[in-house]
Amino acid sequence: RKEVEQDPGPFNVPEGATVAFNCTYSNSASQSFFWYRQDCRKEPKLLMSVYSSGNEDGRFTAQLNRASQYISLLIRDSKLSDSATYLCVVNIADRGSTLGRLYFGRGTQLTVWP
Amino acid sequence: GAGVSQTPSNKVTEKGKYVELRCDPISGHTALYWYRQSLGQGPEFLIYFQGTGAADDSGLPNDRFFAVRPEGSVSTLKIQRTERGDSAVYLCASSLGGTQYFGPGTRLTVL
Repeated sequence: RKEVEQDPGPFNVPEGATVAFNCTYSNSASQSFFWYRQDCRKEPKLLMSVYSSGNEDGRFTAQLNRASQYISLLIRDSKLSDSATYLCVVNIADRGSTLGRLYFGRGTQLTVWP
Repeated sequence: GAGVSQTPSNKVTEKGKYVELRCDPISGHTALYWYRQSLGQGPEFLIYFQGTGAADDSGLPNDRFFAVRPEGSVSTLKIQRTERGDSAVYLCASSLGGTQYFGPGTRLTVL
């Protein structure tokens, strides 16, 4: 079983739509959680970290449910520039450390059309 | 400032050949990571350095893969006797203990 499971999509939505992505992780020892964005043939870039209390960055809202080991990303008022692959990522670091490998989901592809 | 750089950006080789992929991390970043990304998949961890030493090499798929970071800065990923299944994008990332910043990757094609 993979450490991080994501629905690969694709999601095709019109501009202005609200879209939600979900993922689950298998290791309860996971310490840190992130959403990365990856444009076609480019490197992954950090979109936002995810906290248990939920956090928002403009049109983007991320939620973490540790009990059910579930992470979500909500994008409101989608823009054409949001078209990309969104990667769900967890870090299982040594206690007290933020170092260590990242585990990536396979990514969810989003296309926003005019 | 300068980000993570990787060379070459593309490498085409023949089955059985030896290749070296280079990563220049962000200046001052002590942690350096190598990942491999196959088409349609997320990146998969290979190895991680803290300073000059490999802190975790458990992601290396077999003994054909080896990586070094002799002076705690630049790292080289070495692949011996390449196989067609090694074809992928090899990504390097660096960090100061927090966010991992990725380089543009080296696209390796083994014919």
